Amino acid sequence: AQKITQTQPGMFVQEKEAVTLDCTYDTSDPSYGLFWYKQPSSGEMIFLIYQGSYDQQNATEGRYSLNFQKARKSANLVISASQLGDSAMYFCAMREGENTGFQKLVFGTGTRLLVSP
Amino acid sequence: DVKVTQSSRYLVKRTGEKVFLECVQDMDHENMFWYRQDPGLGLRLIYFSYDVKMKEKGDIPEGYSVSREKKERFSLILESASTNQTSMYLCASSLSTGIRNQPQHFGDGTRLSIL
Repeated sequence: AQKITQTQPGMFVQEKEAVTLDCTYDTSDPSYGLFWYKQPSSGEMIFLIYQGSYDQQNATEGRYSLNFQKARKSANLVISASQLGDSAMYFCAMREGENTGFQKLVFGTGTRLLVSP
Repeated sequence: DVKVTQSSRYLVKRTGEKVFLECVQDMDHENMFWYRQDPGLGLRLIYFSYDVKMKEKGDIPEGYSVSREKKERFSLILESASTNQTSMYLCASSLSTGIRNQPQHFGDGTRLSIL
């Protein structure tokens, strides 16, 4: 079964608007971490934000925030005030066994975001 | 800043050739990973290593092997390249235990074409 599901293959947003990229996950491990990465057309994967399963508050990093709904097993990325440079592929990923230090990540299939002027 | 360097951005090889993809990281990370990325499939883990000379199979190890003789270097080997191994290959590294939110740091990727 898919452990990470990103149902939006593509999203469009106008500059300066906010956009939400969806991510749902499946795990029976109570200790896990969720990551979002950005991949511009140049190819490098850029780490954006992290949410731990035991974190009480939603993670925020500048214009990025993570809408973490544990009961729904969702970890949506919210980008506020979109910029043209936000156009990229975005991947959600999960790491189980956070307390063990085991480092294996499972990735979703990605969402391509296009920001228009 | 962490630097993960992959030896080639683009590589073209022929079917049946032995292909080496090299990855070097400069942050003394214990863990290193090789992924392949295909449209609609996201990133899939091929092999990873948590220490020198240690290796573990990922989700799609068939047709690949790896080598980690030094801590900073992790090589992916296609023993006999086939056209279905045409893909984007990404190397990553990370620190080991102790830091929950420690991300994996990625190289720029190698776009490999097998003709």
